[in-house]
Amino acid sequence: GAGVSQSPSNKVTEKGKDVELRCDPISGHTALYWYRQSLGQGLEFLIYFQGNSAPDKSGLPSDRFSAERTGGSVSTLTIQRTQQEDSAVYLCASILQSSGANVLTFGAGSRLTVL
Amino acid sequence: DAKTTQPTSMDCAEGRAANLPCNHSTISGNEYVYWYRQIHSQGPQYIIHGLKNNETNEMASLIITEDRKSSTLILPHATLRDTAVYYCIVRVVGSGNTPLVFGKGTRLSVIA
Repeated sequence: GAGVSQSPSNKVTEKGKDVELRCDPISGHTALYWYRQSLGQGLEFLIYFQGNSAPDKSGLPSDRFSAERTGGSVSTLTIQRTQQEDSAVYLCASILQSSGANVLTFGAGSRLTVL
Repeated sequence: DAKTTQPTSMDCAEGRAANLPCNHSTISGNEYVYWYRQIHSQGPQYIIHGLKNNETNEMASLIITEDRKSSTLILPHATLRDTAVYYCIVRVVGSGNTPLVFGKGTRLSVIA
């Protein structure tokens, strides 16, 4: 597609429920990032997929968080047993990781509210 | 990636040039300087990048000092729509093995 698409744009859930957030990167982009942004805070790196390499999960805040990227394209971020502190905007970005510039293209984000 | 230091916030009058500084004193020879910005409620947006020469595009100009230890992003005629958080990042081009990490950035407020 023309840009990075994320769904849902808004999700309200109850504490303890599981949620899945989806990211469709730009076609052909080899790398994909997930970030989290809590209200009034900066971008917090979560996880990074690069081609067929093992993902860099160093930013995941707990084992309730996981992500996968199927077929080198679509990615799903899963949060199990959600907590109120998980409320944030979850941003996905993709990049064509080549000898060119490291230009990330971000989606509009998925706003998660845990009640 | 080298660490960057930016002021927390800045104000600029509408129509005037906005000059946003960034310190990256530990930058290495193969690291580029990148600028992104994030307008409220949107995902971050790429602005410009450079290695050692000054760069200009339709959005902004990037001035990098000769020793490369600092740079300035210039928005020549700031508008209210330029109010955003501006992030300065240094990174090796094509580096695919480490994640791109954002700092706290500079919150620019353009005032009418």
